[in-house]
Amino acid sequence: DAGVTQSPTHLIKTRGQHVTLRCSPISGHKSVSWYQQVLGQGPQFIFQYYEKEERGRGNFPDRFSARQFPNYSSELNVNALLLGDSALYLCASSLDRSNTEAFFGQGTRLTVV
Amino acid sequence: GDSVTQMEGPVTLSEEAFLTINCTYTATGYPSLFWYVQYPGEGLQLLLKATKADDKGSNKGFEATYRKETTSFHLEKGSVQVSDSAVYFCALSDRNTGGFKTIFGAGTRLFVKA
Repeated sequence: DAGVTQSPTHLIKTRGQHVTLRCSPISGHKSVSWYQQVLGQGPQFIFQYYEKEERGRGNFPDRFSARQFPNYSSELNVNALLLGDSALYLCASSLDRSNTEAFFGQGTRLTVV
Repeated sequence: GDSVTQMEGPVTLSEEAFLTINCTYTATGYPSLFWYVQYPGEGLQLLLKATKADDKGSNKGFEATYRKETTSFHLEKGSVQVSDSAVYFCALSDRNTGGFKTIFGAGTRLFVKA
């Protein structure tokens, strides 16, 4: 079985641009969560989506948004990119919304120049 | 708000030494607790978990006990190997208005020397 897949693996964007990151959960998993991991720190929670609805939001500005599709895949969108948005963006999927068994993808490395 | 604090690294040990990585948490509810591991060049992997007080999670020789009275979830291993060199993250999952949020500590890098 395929694990959690994220695309692209690496991305370079210019300040002020917009970016879309994609995540495909493990088959049968209905919950997708997004995290930002800055170098040398732990992942920071951005969003949780379950059954196509937003179920949780971390302390991130409105420039960050996400959605979940009927097939449970998800997109994370970031508008008006800042240098500080440079990070590894991780997606995790789980069967239910409790996240007691979350599986992480390899992440998308975003560099903003 | 919820938070996780774990000991700063790096931790450097010789092979077969005893490992302890301390982790304490604050939470408004009754969270589940986790240890994740990130090996060099790889993604985060769940190492072990405990979902209620006094539960002990264990995997690959690692173990941690959910201590509600001390709000702690310290990771231990009796005899580390070179292959255990990685970054270890303590985390909690707690309710968050209709869903759950997972809060991670800053991570502790472990180096094991042969």
